[in-house]
Amino acid sequence: AQKITQTQPGMFVQEKEAVTLDCTYDTSDQSYGLFWYKQPSSGEMIFLIYQGSYDEQNATEGRYSLNFQKARKSANLVISASQLGDSAMYFCAMNGGNTGFQKLVFGTGTRLLVSP
Amino acid sequence: NAGVMQNPRHLVRRRGQEARLRCSPMKGHSHVYWYRQLPEEGLKFMVYLQKENIIDESGMPKERFSAEFPKEGPSILRIQQVVRGDSAAYFCASSPVGQLNTEAFFGQGTRLTVV
Repeated sequence: AQKITQTQPGMFVQEKEAVTLDCTYDTSDQSYGLFWYKQPSSGEMIFLIYQGSYDEQNATEGRYSLNFQKARKSANLVISASQLGDSAMYFCAMNGGNTGFQKLVFGTGTRLLVSP
Repeated sequence: NAGVMQNPRHLVRRRGQEARLRCSPMKGHSHVYWYRQLPEEGLKFMVYLQKENIIDESGMPKERFSAEFPKEGPSILRIQQVVRGDSAAYFCASSPVGQLNTEAFFGQGTRLTVV
């Protein structure tokens, strides 16, 4: 079975600083994907970034990068130059498995608050 | 290209009534996934459907919940005889094929409140 652990219930960061949100995962699958989502107070789930288990380079999307350390089974999200609009819940998720279909397992989330 | 569309956005039901949640996948997508998010929690997988087939319903409660994805029209998540514990946000995602996808886009969710 797959499991995602997010140990930081809440994080605070000042505007323009970088912040790292932690995510560790557990799986026996060789092929899997790791995702990060942002959920603002309005409630929608916004896809941020994806990392495949066979990708050798860390994924980057604008101000978002995923620090993928396969041996440690960690997939931390780094947000550079934080903005006030980054205040939201952030969820780490993964898929994979022998069946290969798109079933995501989510962590419990980290609430990020960006202050001026 | 429209994204995943869910309606209604908000739904209020009295205990014992039925709730019907609709999800129209992205154009060209034939696979639909339903998730439930209880307050202050992450999303939990409920069911995975292809057109006219349920592929995996391992996350569905055994009673009162059902899902379908007919040949024509949206996918429907149906909750019969709702109880207060069913109050949650219900999200739908879609994909073009049932392979390991590199993107997973969700609809805006339906927030069900049972009073």
